Amino acid sequence: DTEVTQTPKHLVMGMTNKKSLKCEQHMGHRAMYWYKQKAKKPPELMFVYSYEKLSINESVPSRFSPECPNSSLLNLHLHALQPEDSALYLCASSRGQRGNEKLFFGSGTQLSVL
Amino acid sequence: QQQVKQSPQSLIVQKGGISIINCAYENTAFDYFPWYQQFPGKGPALLIAIRPDVSEKKEGRFTISFNKSAKQFSLHIMDSQPGDSATYFCAASSYNTDKLIFGTGTRLQVFP
Repeated sequence: DTEVTQTPKHLVMGMTNKKSLKCEQHMGHRAMYWYKQKAKKPPELMFVYSYEKLSINESVPSRFSPECPNSSLLNLHLHALQPEDSALYLCASSRGQRGNEKLFFGSGTQLSVL
Repeated sequence: QQQVKQSPQSLIVQKGGISIINCAYENTAFDYFPWYQQFPGKGPALLIAIRPDVSEKKEGRFTISFNKSAKQFSLHIMDSQPGDSATYFCAASSYNTDKLIFGTGTRLQVFP
């Protein structure tokens, strides 16, 4: 199984809502990532977990809260988002956190904030 | 110094033609140069990657050419097919860094 599974595929939320994005992989990878991608732009790194511990937070606003319950799961909790947060949110995983590791991406959650 | 510059922004090629996308970097510590392919509605997927100890790597119709002295690398797609229509991102990193630096992306359209 070489898949990274993300749910939901689409999400529409209001600025006062609380929602969560979920990501799962069963490749035994020990590094997991959240990226944000705006249309026609490259993915932007948000968070990295290595061995279930947060190792990188790219100065992401606190309205985004990551969680890694175990080595296979990664969540992104959303609260009080702004319309400019509308984007494709991608989860990825790799064997380790080294920069030269192959990243396996999920298909993403297309988020619209109204 | 952490940037990877990619060109062109968009590329239109006829079926059977050669598609060429170029990238340039500044950080001489980079030692891993992958290319990711992204179809609409999907996440990026690793297409091919090269390390600076070789000047060229070929996998099927896809070839990376690497010029260490010029700090440039490029992706060549031979016999381009409509199914190759996607956005291509070059990237760079090093063993000692935690993250991949992506280029700005190239939208490739291959017409029959």
